[in-house]
Amino acid sequence: SQQGEEDPQALSIQEGENATMNCSYKTSINNLQWYRQNSGRGLVHLILIRSNEREKHSGRLRVTLDTSKKSSSLLITASRAADTASYFCAPGGGNQLEYGNKLVFGAGTILRVKS
Amino acid sequence: EAGVAQSPRYKIIEKRQSVAFWCNPISGHATLYWYQQILGQGPKLLIQFQNNGVVDDSQLPKDRFSAERLKGVDSTLKIQPAKLEDSAVYLCASSLDLQDYQPQHFGDGTRLSIL
Repeated sequence: SQQGEEDPQALSIQEGENATMNCSYKTSINNLQWYRQNSGRGLVHLILIRSNEREKHSGRLRVTLDTSKKSSSLLITASRAADTASYFCAPGGGNQLEYGNKLVFGAGTILRVKS
Repeated sequence: EAGVAQSPRYKIIEKRQSVAFWCNPISGHATLYWYQQILGQGPKLLIQFQNNGVVDDSQLPKDRFSAERLKGVDSTLKIQPAKLEDSAVYLCASSLDLQDYQPQHFGDGTRLSIL
């Protein structure tokens, strides 16, 4: 699997605002996953988008995928203080025999939501 | 369902000592992962098991790190002897199997401090 690069490194917004994080990768993928990590906790799977999908929603989360630009974005609408966390993207390889569901994580985006 | 259980939550040892971490994955999950997360970085895969066999241990420092999953359920990760640079959070994760679309479920990790 390949590593995704999240941007920005850090983001600070007010409660109620929307937060957008971006992820770029280098080679073709079968899917891309987003994870959240609250301070002192493990990662939590948020959403998976497959390469033949362009947009996916889950509650207040909206993920887009542009395979031509090799990029994805995660939008959190109406943010809450509880959304304060690090967010990681993980591009998924297409060769199951080679990759075996291995994920490579970048440094993530640190989101701070101020109340 | 119960999540991934890890113990201990915190461990402080002196360099050159040995330490072991334990992980109990979600029931029925065939694939188990150990990650090392250094402060400010994303998790880095150390070793991946499928049942009781090793799928990938290419990034495991085998001169000091060892891991086993003898009965295909619980797993232990050992460091002997520890170095200062081993200070990190050690995360265990599990997934249903090796299929590319399977989300990984993480425990809350063991925070290791080396004095």
